[in-house]
Amino acid sequence: EAQVTQNPRYLITVTGKKLTVTCSQNMNHEYMSWYRQDPGLGLRQIYYSMNVEVTDKGDVPEGYKVSRKEKRNFPLILESPSPNQTSLYFCASSRDHSYEQYFGPGTRLTVT
Amino acid sequence: EDQVTQSPEALRLQEGESSSLNCSYTVSGLRGLFWYRQDPGKGPEFLFTLYSAGEEKEKERLKATLTKKESFLHITAPKPEDSATYLCAVQGGSTLGRLYFGRGTQLTVWP
Repeated sequence: EAQVTQNPRYLITVTGKKLTVTCSQNMNHEYMSWYRQDPGLGLRQIYYSMNVEVTDKGDVPEGYKVSRKEKRNFPLILESPSPNQTSLYFCASSRDHSYEQYFGPGTRLTVT
Repeated sequence: EDQVTQSPEALRLQEGESSSLNCSYTVSGLRGLFWYRQDPGKGPEFLFTLYSAGEEKEKERLKATLTKKESFLHITAPKPEDSATYLCAVQGGSTLGRLYFGRGTQLTVWP
């Protein structure tokens, strides 16, 4: 089954404790992207990747890191999480940047 | 300043009562406009892509249209299962790979 998977689905952590949210797709897609969704603000793009080893900033990259070492995986790294990073995070992938994106199920992160 | 504005924020319809959702955008050099449906607690689900003014796409009770500065999602004779948040996203501007989402229209269809 074609899908985008994210792990963990739920995470509660404390300020400053480094964490990684994994994202994997099995569709051989070139393009992958991370979003955060907050009430009243909608979906905002954090980082995206046009292909392996090619990443770029979206609207709200501060406090986040990404890497794309292989085509199927695109992890999101929070080196020192803060409470304002409490949000619902979605990973997405598409054939390339001009096509529709397929979204993962989301990761709900709470930073206390 | 929002690049993509959706209206209304929320819409309540009785089953069978047709209506339209609006998505207006200020992004220059449109490369694509996307409509998604999102159910509570789930990831957005792709509905349509529109690439040029005058283009129309249909799927069951939904029809999407595009003009030079806005898109409409028409819902004909909606059913309760059409209740969801509908998101519009635009790709354009000077940077490839950037996608700008509107804040969505929360649609409730009651029987």
